[in-house]
Amino acid sequence: AQSVSQHNHHVILSEAASLELGCNYSYGGTVNLFWYVQYPGQHLQLLLKYFSGDPLVKGIKGFEAEFIKSKFSFNLRKPSVQWSDTAEYFCAVYSGYALNFGKGTSLLVTP
Amino acid sequence: NAGVTQTPKFRVLKTGQSMTLLCAQDMNHEYMYWYRQDPGMGLRLIHYSVGEGTTAKGEVPDGYNVSRLKKQNFLLGLESAAPSQTSVYFCASTQGTGGADTQYFGPGTRLTVL
Repeated sequence: AQSVSQHNHHVILSEAASLELGCNYSYGGTVNLFWYVQYPGQHLQLLLKYFSGDPLVKGIKGFEAEFIKSKFSFNLRKPSVQWSDTAEYFCAVYSGYALNFGKGTSLLVTP
Repeated sequence: NAGVTQTPKFRVLKTGQSMTLLCAQDMNHEYMYWYRQDPGMGLRLIHYSVGEGTTAKGEVPDGYNVSRLKKQNFLLGLESAAPSQTSVYFCASTQGTGGADTQYFGPGTRLTVL
């Protein structure tokens, strides 16, 4: 089954700093990749997803991710974070009817 | 359009007690899922269903049972709760047309087993 790994477990940034969160998937072939966000006390919401076509995917709230097949990566980026981006971020891959999630990255943005 | 709803929102059980968590969706989705979320572990799939009357085991099914008697509802049961089942439980649903489908999540149920 496909799986993903997230390398940054806790990230602390100042407002206006740039963000990049790493996500690697397990093996090649056709992949459907997702980034979800969970704001404090809330449920998971979709940020963006990749299933084919343009490897640079744009999502909500200024987030984007780049699918790099040669590196098995799908990193999440944002050029300038805001305090309201404080949340937990999950990368996920579709595998056999369901999503397999990474362990998550907790992002704290300080004023 | 409420999306995915879960009841209850919070529950405290004693070891050995049983309970059922209810998930309901009003989007006419085919697939439904139960995940548990634990600190540092991400979300792990407990059971899922690809249609009314069908269920299948996920990554961590032990100690749980599920039923999908109606398309819009997916029930998660704990027959004899254990402290290791203290967690936040999320239900999700998706259209079921393919791997690019978005999963829509409910607000979660926080369960504590003493």
